[in-house]
Amino acid sequence: DAGVIQSPRHEVTEMGQEVTLRCKPISGHNSLFWYRQTMMRGLELLIYFNNNVPIDDSGMPEDRFSAKMPNASFSTLKIQPSEPRDSAVYFCASSLGNSPLHFGNGTRLTVT
Amino acid sequence: AQRVTQPEKLLSVFKGAPVELKCNYSYSGSPELFWYVQYSRQRLQLLLRHISRESIKGFTADLNKGETSFHLKKPFAQEEDSAMYYCALRPGGNTGKLIFGQGTTLQVKP
Repeated sequence: DAGVIQSPRHEVTEMGQEVTLRCKPISGHNSLFWYRQTMMRGLELLIYFNNNVPIDDSGMPEDRFSAKMPNASFSTLKIQPSEPRDSAVYFCASSLGNSPLHFGNGTRLTVT
Repeated sequence: AQRVTQPEKLLSVFKGAPVELKCNYSYSGSPELFWYVQYSRQRLQLLLRHISRESIKGFTADLNKGETSFHLKKPFAQEEDSAMYYCALRPGGNTGKLIFGQGTTLQVKP
């Protein structure tokens, strides 16, 4: 198994542009999580899905952020419009039931 | 409130010295506790979970419900242990989500 796959690994964009981050969870896992990692705030849970349904999006910072999971093997996190304060590493993770979370390599986002 | 506190942002020790990374949690029910490790610019990897009660890479952690702590310990640090360590709590109720502490950077000097 290739593990959780995220793309792109790095994204550099200008303020105001739309950014889309992608995640492919481990096959068979039924929960998917999006986390944001910054020096100041550590790891924050943005949103998570169970069986493709969003369960808790209380961590999504504002309306500029949206996430979708159209099927069991794909999820996106979109930021529109992006701002410099969105610069961070975004991690996707998946799990099956109450098994431990498996993380992807992350997407390092830089908004200039 | 559900919260995980790691009071030290940075812990610096010499090779061969004992290590203790502190973790305290706030949760009214019966939590499940984890330690994750992140080596430089890599993905987070599971190191320990309290229900397994095992030792990985020489690290151990014991859940102390009285003190609401789950400190990570290793008797003799190695240079390859240098990494960021995150303590995490999974609330009950089958939510699956993890709440992470701020993380502690462990620096093992030669």
